[in-house]
Amino acid sequence: NAGVTQTPKFQVLKTGQSMTLQCAQDMNHNSMYWYRQDPGMGLRLIYYSASEGTTDKGEVPNGYNVSRLNKREFSLRLESAAPSQTSVYFCASSGYPGTDGTTIYFGEGSWLTVV
Amino acid sequence: SQQGEEDPQALSIQEGENATMNCSYKTSINNLQWYRQNSGRGLVHLILIRSNEREKHSGRLRVTLDTSKKSSSLLITASRAADTASYFCATDTDSSYKLIFGSGTRLLVRP
Repeated sequence: NAGVTQTPKFQVLKTGQSMTLQCAQDMNHNSMYWYRQDPGMGLRLIYYSASEGTTDKGEVPNGYNVSRLNKREFSLRLESAAPSQTSVYFCASSGYPGTDGTTIYFGEGSWLTVV
Repeated sequence: SQQGEEDPQALSIQEGENATMNCSYKTSINNLQWYRQNSGRGLVHLILIRSNEREKHSGRLRVTLDTSKKSSSLLITASRAADTASYFCATDTDSSYKLIFGSGTRLLVRP
């Protein structure tokens, strides 16, 4: 089982460039998330999608946009990358609360460097 | 600001010893979860405890929850070198069920 798959794994961007991180899950989960993790820190929620067709801001949404393309896919876009967006990005998904609670399944991460 | 804060930030123990990590949070929760992250990898779910539960066990893991003190602890018994990782608590705080993570405890288990 693939679980949560995110691409690319590594990316170097120049300041001002744009890029999209792709994420797909094969667990038929309703909810999907994008987090960022900075060195020595925990995860901060950027955006989440509770169900197909909905998206909501998390703790640190500025500078990002998201698209819930369908139930499987949730993309994160940086329109004009800034050095402050250098981070590791994690996509995640979870099933409907009441089945396994809100257990989140994570992808392996995307290392993004903005120079 | 983050909902959960782990304590200590770093912990170094000898293999075979027990490791205890604590998590404090600020607002009422539905559930509290613990996750583990090996270096350079994604997070992996360890255990979930609901707000109406006080203690839960899973293998060598024991989690307690004290909602009156807004705190939880994770105990790993008989630690192994393979337990070396960062451990995070996460809480969901409202009906949207989004998880907010703490800053983590880095555990080093020395062989």
